Amino acid sequence: DAGITQSPRHKVTETGTPVTLRCHQTENHRYMYWYRQDPGHGLRLIHYSYGVKDTDKGEVSDGYSVSRSKTEDFLLTLESATSSQTSVYFCAISRTSGTRRADTQYFGPGTRLTVL
Amino acid sequence: TQLLEQSPQFLSIQEGENLTVYCNSSSVFSSLQWYRQEPGEGPVLLVTVVTGGEVKKLKRLTFQFGDARKDSSLHITAAQPGDTGLYLCAGAKDSGYALNFGKGTSLLVTP
Repeated sequence: DAGITQSPRHKVTETGTPVTLRCHQTENHRYMYWYRQDPGHGLRLIHYSYGVKDTDKGEVSDGYSVSRSKTEDFLLTLESATSSQTSVYFCAISRTSGTRRADTQYFGPGTRLTVL
Repeated sequence: TQLLEQSPQFLSIQEGENLTVYCNSSSVFSSLQWYRQEPGEGPVLLVTVVTGGEVKKLKRLTFQFGDARKDSSLHITAAQPGDTGLYLCAGAKDSGYALNFGKGTSLLVTP
């Protein structure tokens, strides 16, 4: 158990509404990630953070923003949700410290988001 | 761009059979991880391999990292229904913070 929680676990929303997903960790790790998982695509990185207020884009960042004001919380925001953002979203943390190398990641339970 | 190709994509076998899942790339990775994911849950780490040629065993699961650190395999001996799930490989590069995931192999083991 890596001490990662995600909220909400399920959400149904309408096209054009803003949505914020929360990832909370209890272990004070520096690196946090947001992925989406879709059939036929596997896990794709949306954004990641390497410290408080330090974030960067992943391969599918369009339409998403993130914020990290505290070590333990990493928020993913869909400013104006679209049906193409219907997906399962996973947060992950990495226990790597002190280097730039990506390493083993531990995942939260996921949030299933449906945009109607 | 999919850096890691997994095969097969789907696998349905009977309890007691052996199987091998492959994870291939043209890129070199500093480490490679294998995860298993069950429906409705997040991926769970099985193993990390970091040295070319490395072999790790986890009960009936054997993981191998290729000598050139471009590929890996997962072999399951005497599969059981509890092995059913989605198996994902993921590679880490020396530069950058993110992992590159394969699309996964969906395994079904029937009694």
